[in-house]
Amino acid sequence: DILLTQSPAILSVSPGERVSFSCRASQSIGTSIHWYQQRTNGSPRLLIKYASESISGIPSRFSGSGSGTDFTLSINSVESEDIADYYCQQSNSWPTTFGAGTKLELK
Amino acid sequence: DVQLQESGPGLVKPSQSLSLTCTVTGYSITSDYAWNWIRQFPGNKLEWMGYISYSGSTSYNPSLKSRISITRDTSKNQFFLQLNSVTTEDTATYYCARFYYGYYFDYWGQGTTLTVSS
Repeated sequence: DILLTQSPAILSVSPGERVSFSCRASQSIGTSIHWYQQRTNGSPRLLIKYASESISGIPSRFSGSGSGTDFTLSINSVESEDIADYYCQQSNSWPTTFGAGTKLELK
Repeated sequence: DVQLQESGPGLVKPSQSLSLTCTVTGYSITSDYAWNWIRQFPGNKLEWMGYISYSGSTSYNPSLKSRISITRDTSKNQFFLQLNSVTTEDTATYYCARFYYGYYFDYWGQGTTLTVSS
């Protein structure tokens, strides 16, 4: 199975700051990476598909980049509602797998 | 709008079988896509368990070996998870979700918590 390593485990930010989350795959997966947000007691919500493609209804401050093995999710100007866990998922190789997540918290 | 809703017993004893139901509204599970079970363990690790496609074919995570079965009732627009011989390691929140052509999960249920304990 493809291992997705997310770093750091925890990110502390102030509102208005730019923040980036990293997801590294154990082998090249093209752009077959997707990002999810999970708020406390909520279900995962799709944020970005295929590394950088936007999702309808998701604020434009969320963006993604990367290909091959290294991927990044960025939030341009963090808002308090962005406090959540963030996960990456790969669909290049069966079975699909998820990263362990990065927790975004307020300073 | 597509909505998924899980339901289940909440508590199961070790060695028993767990059965969960996902009720889908706003879309027919026989029209398209694959309909999945995903679980999230304490500590938040997410694991894809398997799916049943719109045509009725199934695919399972090899890690679950022969313990898992996903079936459906098309008349009720529901699909089901059965996991046999559960242990405390199966304690998790179980989600059902729609798989967009095998790529990403675009609709999720709210999750149901299952505890395995005697």
